[in-house]
Amino acid sequence: AQSVTQLGSHVSVSEGALVLLRCNYSSSVPPYLFWYVQYPNQGLQLLLKYTSAATLVKGINGFEAEFKKSETSFHLTKPSAHMSDAAEYFCAVQKTSYDKVIFGPGTSLSVIP
Amino acid sequence: DVKVTQSSRYLVKRTGEKVFLECVQDMDHENMFWYRQDPGLGLRLIYFSYDVKMKEKGDIPEGYSVSREKKERFSLILESASTNQTSMYLCASSGRTYEQYFGPGTRLTVT
Repeated sequence: AQSVTQLGSHVSVSEGALVLLRCNYSSSVPPYLFWYVQYPNQGLQLLLKYTSAATLVKGINGFEAEFKKSETSFHLTKPSAHMSDAAEYFCAVQKTSYDKVIFGPGTSLSVIP
Repeated sequence: DVKVTQSSRYLVKRTGEKVFLECVQDMDHENMFWYRQDPGLGLRLIYFSYDVKMKEKGDIPEGYSVSREKKERFSLILESASTNQTSMYLCASSGRTYEQYFGPGTRLTVT
């Protein structure tokens, strides 16, 4: 069965510092990969997705993620954190378009002024 | 913009009541989903539907049922609400581009 691991349930960074949120997945074939963000008391919003095109994917709000097949990773980065980035971030994987989406447990990002 | 709306943001019900959570999407998406979200447990899939009148059990269907009579509407039903169903309920839809679009969520409290 597929699974998604997010290292660190809580990450704190200073405003202006690099954001790195880690995601590893288990899959025998390159899957569809997603990062979602959830602000307090809201639903999830898509940040970016990988669907077997370019391995470096750019998303909204300055975030990007790199698909590394050899490491089965899809880490999310942003060069400079902003206070408004404080939220919960979920990595998700879908094996094929007919499979369920498997969500990781989430990483809560805090940004310190 | 895709819009997924849920009938209530906050709901308080008593144990044993029948509860209806409604979800509507306006993008003609084939697929619709119901999740519950609990601290430390992430998102868990309750039911999903790939077409009108079709439904599939997710990972935690016990105590829930669903209805999809129209393509744009997917309802989650708690036949007899219990306190362990207190949670945040999220509806989502998806089309041919795979990503899911989520509603704002319904925070249900069962007392």
